[in-house]
Amino acid sequence: DTAVSQTPKYLVTQMGNDKSIKCEQNLGHDTMYWYKQDSKKFLKIMFSYNNKELIINETVPNRFSPKSPDKAHLNLHINSLELGDSAVYFCASSHAKDATSGYEQYFGPGTRLTVT
Amino acid sequence: EDQVTQSPEALRLQEGESSSLNCSYTVSGLRGLFWYRQDPGKGPEFLFTLYSAGEEKEKERLKATLTKKESFLHITAPKPEDSATYLCAAQGGGVFGNEKLTFGTGTRLTIIP
Repeated sequence: DTAVSQTPKYLVTQMGNDKSIKCEQNLGHDTMYWYKQDSKKFLKIMFSYNNKELIINETVPNRFSPKSPDKAHLNLHINSLELGDSAVYFCASSHAKDATSGYEQYFGPGTRLTVT
Repeated sequence: EDQVTQSPEALRLQEGESSSLNCSYTVSGLRGLFWYRQDPGKGPEFLFTLYSAGEEKEKERLKATLTKKESFLHITAPKPEDSATYLCAAQGGGVFGNEKLTFGTGTRLTIIP
């Protein structure tokens, strides 16, 4: 049973196009995230949503817009794609137990985006 | 700014040869230190959470430990299937729900049969 799923797994597109990546989690978590992993395998957070509300918005171009229709879904829409957007994008989710403890995040399989 | 540094960048071991991976962190108000395993073409897989200095967690051939500045992932008598990239991440304090997970760049571990 897949916990965090993403579609598509691979996405090849041309510069200037608009594309979306979808993410769904069936863990009952209330917080979801988008991460970008660059060619050097460095994972960096882009956004987080808690109960459909945007919580973390790192320094990400406005061309990236997350949308959370409900607690189980967090989609990422990218406008006017650029060569530098090529990377692997990971969705993750977690359950915030309380305000003092850290809480593990569970990751999806990733979407490899290639912009040509 | 929160920082997480992992060493070495890559490590090749013979099967059965024990070793340790290092994770140094600078995080204000540490909420948790996490270890993940990532196989090629897959998402990070959660291994351990450590919350306070002195804490240890074990799973099969892996043991994670935590001090106030570092965490170590000890691998005992590794097997080829332990080959992967091991990622360390630290979660700092902040407004509830706004605690970021800062990742290191990982250690690529290869176990040679």
